[in-house]
Amino acid sequence: EDQVTQSPEALRLQEGESSSLNCSYTVSGLRGLFWYRQDPGKGPEFLFTLYSAGEEKEKERLKATLTKKESFLHITAPKPEDSATYLCAVLRESSASKIIFGSGTRLSIRP
Amino acid sequence: NAGVTQTPKFQVLKTGQSMTLQCAQDMNHNSMYWYRQDPGMGLRLIYYSASEGTTDKGEVPNGYNVSRLNKREFSLRLESAAPSQTSVYFCASRMLAGGTDTQYFGPGTRLTVL
Repeated sequence: EDQVTQSPEALRLQEGESSSLNCSYTVSGLRGLFWYRQDPGKGPEFLFTLYSAGEEKEKERLKATLTKKESFLHITAPKPEDSATYLCAVLRESSASKIIFGSGTRLSIRP
Repeated sequence: NAGVTQTPKFQVLKTGQSMTLQCAQDMNHNSMYWYRQDPGMGLRLIYYSASEGTTDKGEVPNGYNVSRLNKREFSLRLESAAPSQTSVYFCASRMLAGGTDTQYFGPGTRLTVL
């Protein structure tokens, strides 16, 4: 069965303390992997799309990487405003339209 | 350019009542989606429309119907609401252009069924 698993469920960091969030997937052929940020009471906000193993994308303090089994969202020197839930989702080769989401990682950055 | 808009923002229904959630996008995207989000379960796909005139079931379609009214609008209907449908509902549209695949989400509708 196709599955997307995110870990940890929750992560509390001190401001400036770098870390990584994990998204592991088991799908029959990956077409693309997405990262989103979601603030409380709002809809998800697109961050990155990765298409092939070895690909990396960066935006400010965030860097997303992709291997054949998982993706990492690296957060360098985070600030309190980076606090949010980060969602990972995959698009399979077998279905060009259906996107499967993980349950997210709640990130909290303390000043 | 408003992006993806959803109405209403909040709704309380009694069991058995019906309602339609409205979604519209002004980005000329072909694909549109309806998700529900429950605590600890992430986003689950209810229905999607890959293009105007087509709709398909997602993971959790039971109890819902959809209409792709035109390229801009994609509505979700609950014919007979049940407490299990208490959730936050998100609409999204999807852009595929220049090798980039992006989904844009609306602000959500918070639905409570008593």
